[in-house]
Amino acid sequence: NAGVTQTPKFQVLKTGQSMTLQCAQDMNHNSMYWYRQDPGMGLRLIYYSASEGTTDKGEVPNGYNVSRLNKREFSLRLESAAPSQTSVYFCASSEGTGVSETQYFGPGTRLLVL
Amino acid sequence: TQLLEQSPQFLSIQEGENLTVYCNSSSVFSSLQWYRQEPGEGPVLLVTVVTGGEVKKLKRLTFQFGDARKDSSLHITAAQPGDTGLYLCAGVGRDDKIIFGKGTRLHILP
Repeated sequence: NAGVTQTPKFQVLKTGQSMTLQCAQDMNHNSMYWYRQDPGMGLRLIYYSASEGTTDKGEVPNGYNVSRLNKREFSLRLESAAPSQTSVYFCASSEGTGVSETQYFGPGTRLLVL
Repeated sequence: TQLLEQSPQFLSIQEGENLTVYCNSSSVFSSLQWYRQEPGEGPVLLVTVVTGGEVKKLKRLTFQFGDARKDSSLHITAAQPGDTGLYLCAGVGRDDKIIFGKGTRLHILP
């Protein structure tokens, strides 16, 4: 089992460009999450999906959209990237539908917006 | 706004020493989680504490949840270089929202 996989690992964008971060899990988990991690800010929840077909906003959703494509895949889209979105993005999944469940994190995508 | 304050931010100690890191808030949490994160990787869950006053042990690591469920501590006995990493606490509120602290970066010197 690969667990949670994320692509790409690194990306450099120019301001205004768009991109989609991909996440997949092979643990048959119901819930999936997107976080961003910035120096001195800790991890902040962007969006989450408690089940296939549902998505909800987290703490910092502005500037992002998500799609729960199927049970395995949860993508994060930046429509018009801004330097403030330079960060490390982590996808996570959990078996149940609550955030108190054990979350399994992917290795992260490092994004630099120039 | 719920906040989780972790202290200290940085800690560098010699192998074999004991240490305690703290996670404090003015808010009550229904559960609190501790994660360890190594460079270039995602966080890995170490433990979840749910009951006020609860103590959990994981080998040389002891986790305690405060009686009022507002704070938690992580104590490491006889630290080893393999304990080096970023330790994050995360609180789950009664509204089922999760917030993370900024972390304690621990470095164990051999």
